[in-house]
Amino acid sequence: NAGVTQTPKFRVLKTGQSMTLLCAQDMNHEYMYWYRQDPGMGLRLIHYSVGEGTTAKGEVPDGYNVSRLKKQNFLLGLESAAPSQTSVYFCATRQGGGPYNEQFFGPGTRLTVL
Amino acid sequence: AQSVTQLGSHVSVSEGALVLLRCNYSSSVPPYLFWYVQYPNQGLQLLLKYTTGATLVKGINGFEAEFKKSETSFHLTKPSAHMSDAAEYFCAVGNAGGTSYGKLTFGQGTILTVHP
Repeated sequence: NAGVTQTPKFRVLKTGQSMTLLCAQDMNHEYMYWYRQDPGMGLRLIHYSVGEGTTAKGEVPDGYNVSRLKKQNFLLGLESAAPSQTSVYFCATRQGGGPYNEQFFGPGTRLTVL
Repeated sequence: AQSVTQLGSHVSVSEGALVLLRCNYSSSVPPYLFWYVQYPNQGLQLLLKYTTGATLVKGINGFEAEFKKSETSFHLTKPSAHMSDAAEYFCAVGNAGGTSYGKLTFGQGTILTVHP
């Protein structure tokens, strides 16, 4: 089992370019999350999904869009990248049920916007 | 709203010394508390979690944490540090109510350095 995978691992964009980050899971989990990690700020939730075909905004959603057309995939899009979006992006999944269930994290995508 | 504060962004210990990483939380409902570890260039992995029941929770790699409701704390400890413990550690609270149900709120992280 691969668990949670993220594509790509690294990416450099110029301001104004667009890109899509892919998160894939083979754990059959209902919940999926996108976080960004910045030094000294921990992880902040961008968007999340509670099931196929659903998405919702997290703490810092501006400048990002998401889609969950298939249960196993959760896509994060940047329509017009800005230097403030330079960060490390993590995807996570969680089994259904209560908040006591842990989240499982992917290895991350390091994005630099010039 | 729930929040988590980790006291000390950097902690440095000698190999074999006690490790103590501090975490305080704010929650209006009984919390679910987690400690995650992140090794360099990797994702986060669960060390341990508190849900209900016993307040002293044991995790992987010899770590444990004690839930103290009166102090709103969930400090992480390990009796004897190993070089392989060098990593960044995150405390998190699982939201158990309202529109934030099931989401995690993370602390700022503590980088642990272990000296030989």
